[in-house]
Amino acid sequence: ETGVTQSPTHLIKTRGQQVTLRCSSQSGHNTVSWYQQALGQGPQFIFQYYREEENGRGNFPPRFSGLQFPNYSSELNVNALELDDSALYLCASSRDSGRHEQYFGPGTRLTVT
Amino acid sequence: RKEVEQDPGPFNVPEGATVAFNCTYSNSASQSFFWYRQDCRKEPKLLMSVYSSGNEDGRFTAQLNRASQYISLLIRDSKLSDSATYLCVVNRDTNAGKSTFGDGTTLTVKP
Repeated sequence: ETGVTQSPTHLIKTRGQQVTLRCSSQSGHNTVSWYQQALGQGPQFIFQYYREEENGRGNFPPRFSGLQFPNYSSELNVNALELDDSALYLCASSRDSGRHEQYFGPGTRLTVT
Repeated sequence: RKEVEQDPGPFNVPEGATVAFNCTYSNSASQSFFWYRQDCRKEPKLLMSVYSSGNEDGRFTAQLNRASQYISLLIRDSKLSDSATYLCVVNRDTNAGKSTFGDGTTLTVKP
């Protein structure tokens, strides 16, 4: 196991609601990246947090936001949920810059109805 | 056009077969390259990094051709346990995250 944990495992929300997903990074890792994986597609980069600051963002609207805490755990918040937000949300932790590997958590499966 | 493109397959091969997956990327400034494996409804796991000189890990060999912006993965002597989706991953810089994933190639190895 990677030591990266995510909660909750599954979640069902209604269109228009807000959701918060959580990720605990592996010990010694200070960088967390979030990805969205729709069925049948590869993960798409949402954003990355490094030492509590956003450090790069993919092509996602502002209603996708995040936080990183002093212990390097992280949250992904999605406002005004849309049906297309239904996906597996993955977080990955890594050490700071350099050719280090990223390790994925098991993901949170979000269903928006 | 997607930034990272893979043949989705599926590839159905018998045990013991050799199978090769290809991946092309469009950003010539890309810095680092990886193959990940993803089992059904699980998280992606790093299979191997891909270096310009090519690299091998047991039955797996990865190659990078920067001039053609092409990455390959060769699996020899396929096992049933190799059945999975293989994701090609490209990073624009040396940072471990901020990766661009292909949509994956599905491999099924049959007895």
